[in-house]
Amino acid sequence: DQQVKQNSPSLSVQEGRISILNCDYTNSMFDYFLWYKKYPAEGPTFLISISSIKDKNEDGRFTVFLNKSAKHLSLHIVPSQPGDSAVYFCAASARANQFYFGTGTSLTVIP
Amino acid sequence: GAVVSQHPSRVICKSGTSVKIECRSLDFQATTMFWYRQFPKKSLMLMATSNEGSKATYEQGVEKDKFLINHASLTLSTLTVTSAHPEDSSFYICSAGGATTNEKLFFGSGTQLSVL
Repeated sequence: DQQVKQNSPSLSVQEGRISILNCDYTNSMFDYFLWYKKYPAEGPTFLISISSIKDKNEDGRFTVFLNKSAKHLSLHIVPSQPGDSAVYFCAASARANQFYFGTGTSLTVIP
Repeated sequence: GAVVSQHPSRVICKSGTSVKIECRSLDFQATTMFWYRQFPKKSLMLMATSNEGSKATYEQGVEKDKFLINHASLTLSTLTVTSAHPEDSSFYICSAGGATTNEKLFFGSGTQLSVL
C-alpha cells in the first residue's frame, strides 16, 4: 500500500506563475518530509525539507507547507521557471535514513 | 555538496548472467546506503538498506539471494543482480547518508539495466 501519494502525475504551468505540487500521506508516524527533483536519466536530488514541528519552510523560490491534521504537504514554486521542469517526488520518514517516496509529479513550465 | 557516484550508468546483459552495480560516496563517509528500484511511472521502491560492515536489511518481497548487497567500506556499496532475467530490467538507484548528512540523502545517477 502506498503510504505517500502524489495524485497528480503531471502539471503544466506558465513561466512566472506559481506551481503547486501536492502530496498526501497515510502514516501518522511520519515526522520528516522532503521534496526531491529529478531530471530524466538522473537520480533525484534533494530540494527542500520540513519537520513535523513546523508548518512552513521557505528556501528562495521554494516553499513547503505541511498540514498535519490533513496529512498533506505541498510544494510551491514561485515564480516558476522553465528550468524547473522536472519530476518532483515527495518523501516521508518516520525514522532516520529511511524514506517512503510518492510516485512523482511531472512539472512542465511553459515559456 | 556531497557527491555519490554510481557505475555503470547503463548495462545490457544476457539472461542468466550476473551484474554488479557500484555506489560510491566521493567526499563523505556513508555508513548507510540505500538501493532503490524504479519502475516506469512509479515511485522509487526501496529494496534494501546497506550498513557498512554488517548485513543488508532487505524490504519485504525483495529476494536476498537475488540481489546481493555488499557494503565493505564507508565509501562503497555494491548491488549484484544474480542470474538476471528480463523481469529484472529496471532503473536502479543508490543513495547514501552518513553522520554528517543525516537529514539528506544524496543519490547516485542511477543504472539502467536491460536483460535480454
